[in-house]
Amino acid sequence: QVQLVQSGAEVKKPGSSVKVSCKASGGTFSVRIMSWVRQAPGQGLEWMGGIIPIFGKTDYAQKFQGRVTITADESTNTAYMELNSLKSEDTAVYYCARTDYGGNSRYFDSWGQGTLVTVSS
Amino acid sequence: SYELTQPPSVSVSPGQTARITCSGDELSKQYAYWYQQKPGQAPVLMIYKDNERPSGIPERFSGSNSGTIVTLTISGVQAEDEADYYCQSADGSGTYVLFGRGTKLTVL
Repeated sequence: QVQLVQSGAEVKKPGSSVKVSCKASGGTFSVRIMSWVRQAPGQGLEWMGGIIPIFGKTDYAQKFQGRVTITADESTNTAYMELNSLKSEDTAVYYCARTDYGGNSRYFDSWGQGTLVTVSS
Repeated sequence: SYELTQPPSVSVSPGQTARITCSGDELSKQYAYWYQQKPGQAPVLMIYKDNERPSGIPERFSGSNSGTIVTLTISGVQAEDEADYYCQSADGSGTYVLFGRGTKLTVL
């Protein structure tokens, strides 16, 4: 059973960047897509993008293209999500989630505990 | 743009059956998935590929797909089932992931 442990809460200024980590244990990190999903306070879930570590191949939701970078370090079984040019609307809990496929659609079978990112001046 | 539509809330008494729907044009071509989220916790996968249940998920949770509407059914609802439930699927090409806005299940 995979465990995903994320880095701690962050407080950032508008215009700055944040980098959240997600360390996986108990599973096959390199060959499974790791995705990032965020949830603004009181709102629903929003997919941001994902990476397949063994290839380093990424894809991103259109909304975040150019502002988010997802990377992975196979040596430490850790995925990262960096979001730039932060705005107050980016205040949210950010989750990493191990990803599988049903047909050609993705789904998320294990989730990290979440990392609260607060953007405030 | 493509959206998945869920009712904002569903209420049910303990022991009754709760049905939460999710509608979307591409659901006839793409699988649907369901997540349960309790306050302050990460989502948990409850149903995958329309009607498959991950190990450890109680049998009272089931899923069905009737074309452009998918349904999560909770039989014999228990107080602990009170949570937000999200459906999830993909666009027609499978490129993008979409979530419904969530349904708050209240156990009366």
